Amino acid sequence: AQSVTQLDSHVSVSEGTPVLLRCNYSSSYSPSLFWYVQHPNKGLQLLLKYTSAATLVKGINGFEAEFNKSQTSFHLRKPSVHISDTAEYFCAVTPSSGSARQLTFGSGTQLTVLP
Amino acid sequence: GAVVSQHPSRVICKSGTSVKIECRSLDFQATTMFWYRQFPKQSLMLMATSNEGSKATYEQGVEKDKFLINHASLTLSTLTVTSAHPEDSSFYICSARDLQGALGTQYFGPGTRLLVL
Repeated sequence: AQSVTQLDSHVSVSEGTPVLLRCNYSSSYSPSLFWYVQHPNKGLQLLLKYTSAATLVKGINGFEAEFNKSQTSFHLRKPSVHISDTAEYFCAVTPSSGSARQLTFGSGTQLTVLP
Repeated sequence: GAVVSQHPSRVICKSGTSVKIECRSLDFQATTMFWYRQFPKQSLMLMATSNEGSKATYEQGVEKDKFLINHASLTLSTLTVTSAHPEDSSFYICSARDLQGALGTQYFGPGTRLLVL
């Protein structure tokens, strides 16, 4: 069994400041972890993924996330956000092997970047 | 990069009609595609897993006779909402898993907004 908890449903920050979006996971298997971004009325775009290589993962648009096994976390951060980063962010987990590798999503975090 | 398309992007139909949504992987082969449903301000809910050449696997609570899934080729899966009713109005998103890429990442389509009147 696997689950994802995104601790913040809404985060508001000012443009140019750093942001941290929190994600904790539970998995019976060695997990692969993902962050996706969704702009209004759009599908999901992959930001980055962890697949048992380096624990610090760098993604697109300046985002990065760190896999912490002891804390079962995979928090997303960006040092300086832009207005265009306003969107919904989803953390997801899947077993890293096996045929059934379905994604389980968190409930999402709405990030609002203020001018 | 890997691109997944969906057609149509939005559809409005009358209650009782059927609607077909197509999901295509444009530059890779996908033996597995997934169909999700998303209500406003909520996360994605997996409806079914579609495997090329075999029957789809539906999640608990999803009616297989109402949501017909066909995965006839390695690049195309279709979802047909049969006898649609207003409560079927939602945002439907497909994804395709790239088995040729790194560890089976899922790539998502842009979604289809269905409104049933």
